[in-house]
Amino acid sequence: AQRVTQPEKLLSVFKGAPVELKCNYSYSGSPELFWYVQYSRQRLQLLLRHISRESIKGFTADLNKGETSFHLKKPFAQEEDSAMYYCALSVPPNDYKLSFGAGTTVTVRA
Amino acid sequence: EAQVTQNPRYLITVTGKKLTVTCSQNMNHEYMSWYRQDPGLGLRQIYYSMNVEVTDKGDVPEGYKVSRKEKRNFPLILESPSPNQTSLYFCASSLQFYNEQFFGPGTRLTVL
Repeated sequence: AQRVTQPEKLLSVFKGAPVELKCNYSYSGSPELFWYVQYSRQRLQLLLRHISRESIKGFTADLNKGETSFHLKKPFAQEEDSAMYYCALSVPPNDYKLSFGAGTTVTVRA
Repeated sequence: EAQVTQNPRYLITVTGKKLTVTCSQNMNHEYMSWYRQDPGLGLRQIYYSMNVEVTDKGDVPEGYKVSRKEKRNFPLILESPSPNQTSLYFCASSLQFYNEQFFGPGTRLTVL
């Protein structure tokens, strides 16, 4: 069974500093990977997915199959980046479940 | 307005009393899913549906049932709720499974 690990429950950074959220997965094949974000009093929403190789709100994530990681990075954190972040994984065509990590709460301080 | 709706938003019930949480989407999405969110555990998928009449188990299906008779609706059924099913439940839908999932507002369930 696939599994997603986000080792940091809480992450606090200063505005303008780089931020990196770690995500490791346990699967030997080619997974589909996503980052979802939940801002205060808002619904969970997609931030980015590795298949589209896009940068959203200044965030990027690189899939490293050798290290089975999909870390989320932003070079200069902003206060509006304070939120809960979830890494998620799916392994089609074996199945179409979506497995989430436990989440990382990010606080960006002024 | 394109959205996913869930009802009820809050529910307090007692052990063993059958309940249904409804989920509806108006975006003609094929993929629908139920999750529960618990502190320290994040989101865990309960069941998902690739399309009408096609459902499959997620990571934590025990104690839950679902049905997908119509494309827009995906109710979650707890035949005999137990206190360990006290949680925050989210329904979500997406055009296909690999597209962005749109989440409902959540249903906070307490089983006494």
